[in-house]
Amino acid sequence: DIQMTQSPSSLSASVGDRVTITCRSSQSISRYLHWYQHKAGKAPKLLIYAASSLQSGIPSRFSGGGSGTDFTLTISSLQPEDFATYYCQQSYSAPQTFGQGTKVEI
Amino acid sequence: QVQLQESGPGLVKPSETLSLTCSVSGGSISDFYWAWIRQPAGKGLECIGRVSTTGSTNYNPSLTSRVTMSINTSKNLFSLNLRSVTAADTAVYYCARESDSDWHALEYWGQGALVTVSS
Repeated sequence: DIQMTQSPSSLSASVGDRVTITCRSSQSISRYLHWYQHKAGKAPKLLIYAASSLQSGIPSRFSGGGSGTDFTLTISSLQPEDFATYYCQQSYSAPQTFGQGTKVEI
Repeated sequence: QVQLQESGPGLVKPSETLSLTCSVSGGSISDFYWAWIRQPAGKGLECIGRVSTTGSTNYNPSLTSRVTMSINTSKNLFSLNLRSVTAADTAVYYCARESDSDWHALEYWGQGALVTVSS
């Protein structure tokens, strides 16, 4: 299985901060990397697909980058509704695997 | 807007079979891959597997001996059966739809169903 490693596991930030989360895969996955936002008790939400493509309806303050083994999710100006856990996921090979998550807290 | 809703027993006894159904509304179930993902309390997300409307399946190797997924296009729903469950299978179970692009991102998700394995 391809292992996905996110860092940091958690971070504290304030409204208006620029936040960057990194995700590294154990082997090259091209751009088969997606980012999700998850709030407790709710369905996870797709933010970014194919490493850098913004999902329809997602605010432009979210952006993604990278290819191969190293990827980033950036929130340019953190908003109150952005406090959540973020996961990366690879769909390059089965089984699809997720990172362990990054909790963004105040 | 596509909506997914998981349903099934919230409590399953050890060694029995966990059965969940995902009902799809707001769109056709045809021509997509449909997935099951779970999250044990305090842990991350784990892909259980996926099923297509052609009947093709891919299961997580760690679960493949115990998992069966199926799809019912006439009822617009798909199902998960997980046999011989133990306490380690206690988790929130999500169903999801992959996008129709080659990237296979999980575009739509259900709210999740908590399943507890306990006698």
